[in-house]
Amino acid sequence: GAVVSQHPSWVICKSGTSVKIECRSLDFQATTMFWYRQFPKQSLMLMATSNEGSKATYEQGVEKDKFLINHASLTLSTLTVTSAHPEDSSFYICSAKVGSSNQPQHFGDGTRLSIL
Amino acid sequence: GESVGLHLPTLSVQEGDNSIINCAYSNSASDYFIWYKQESGKGPQFIIDIRSNMDKRQGQRVTVLLNKTVKHLSLQIAATQPGDSAVYFCAENMGYGGATNKLIFGTGTLLAVQP
Repeated sequence: GAVVSQHPSWVICKSGTSVKIECRSLDFQATTMFWYRQFPKQSLMLMATSNEGSKATYEQGVEKDKFLINHASLTLSTLTVTSAHPEDSSFYICSAKVGSSNQPQHFGDGTRLSIL
Repeated sequence: GESVGLHLPTLSVQEGDNSIINCAYSNSASDYFIWYKQESGKGPQFIIDIRSNMDKRQGQRVTVLLNKTVKHLSLQIAATQPGDSAVYFCAENMGYGGATNKLIFGTGTLLAVQP
């Protein structure tokens, strides 16, 4: 149980393109999902917390107009990287949590984004 | 110009030995801790968790120890196998008085199992 699916797993696109990444909880409902960014050989950095039916909460230094988050249902959150540039190239990972506090987050397998 | 590489701390062990991976966390108010395993090109996989009212928890081949006095967490893997090779992250749950909790990840340790 607690499977999180992320799509696409890999995307290559030109500079200036907007890219949408989907995160789905397959066998549970998630009122809260999280989006992380990870550079090579580094840890996961939380970008934002996505709350179903309300606005996302962004971490300090993360541009909300650059990284648009939509959490329209209890099983789907999307991250759109708008007008992507090479410096946005990274590994983006989502997670979802079953229930409220003191439960582990379950992660998708990430999206490798490469901007040319 | 010269490039600076980033290096994860690495623990190299022989197959069959026990492994101990350590982690120092930052917030004395953190109430929940998790260990994750991340294989190359994949998302983190849950291994084991522990709440702050405990100091030890055991799973299958894994044990987590929590020392709140010095804010230290460790993961012990018994009889390490080649399939255990991965990067291991500890994460602390920082609650906000009932608001949405979030995880803060440690820097990670690369476990390399030698056959």
